[in-house]
Amino acid sequence: IVLTQSPDSLSLSPGERATLSCRASHSVSTTYLAWYQQRPGQAPRLLIYGATSRATGIPDRFSGSGSGTDFTLTINRLEPEDSALYFCQQYGGSLTFGGGTKVEIK
Amino acid sequence: QVHLQESGPGLVKPSETLSLSCTVSGGSISGYYWSWARQPPGKGLEWIGCVSYRGTTNYNPSLKTRLTISVDTSINQFSLDLSSVTAADTAVYYCARHRIPVTHDAFDVWSQGTMVNVSS
Repeated sequence: IVLTQSPDSLSLSPGERATLSCRASHSVSTTYLAWYQQRPGQAPRLLIYGATSRATGIPDRFSGSGSGTDFTLTINRLEPEDSALYFCQQYGGSLTFGGGTKVEIK
Repeated sequence: QVHLQESGPGLVKPSETLSLSCTVSGGSISGYYWSWARQPPGKGLEWIGCVSYRGTTNYNPSLKTRLTISVDTSINQFSLDLSSVTAADTAVYYCARHRIPVTHDAFDVWSQGTMVNVSS
């Protein structure tokens, strides 16, 4: 399953909302879709699993939604620390990752 | 807090075997599945394969013929051997823990990543 993320990059101001898309080439069970954040020079961090469940310690500004082939990560009330690369992963079949969306906070 | 650290050479010659190890600290390797993933320069992440603490493996079909992933619970470590490497295997390599003990799941702990260059 190929995952295509859009946009490639996003530049927003603090306090705004970011909406990131992950589209799958074939249907993905909602149980098997995850989102990650990777800040420069750091290890990736699990944000969302099962399409909508927040991982331990993730603030409720981060939320996941979607089903089938279209999934969304929404980040509300953007903070400077949210500047990072965000990528999706499906693990219903063989595991695959999206190419990522770079979020810049102005 | 569980921490993962890769070790291994940063430069491998074409046709040779790329070998990396991942040491688990701050927790036990037992009870989990453990994966390797990589990211070539300028490209997205690719899942390589995984191993359970009992030694059960699952590999990316595109790499299966060149790949061996193993686990040594006595030293809290799992390892990757990728044979017959080419320049296409140049990438940042990550090790990661599966959130729950199944072959396919999200990764809740990741290493920092280590760059491996394949070059003569």
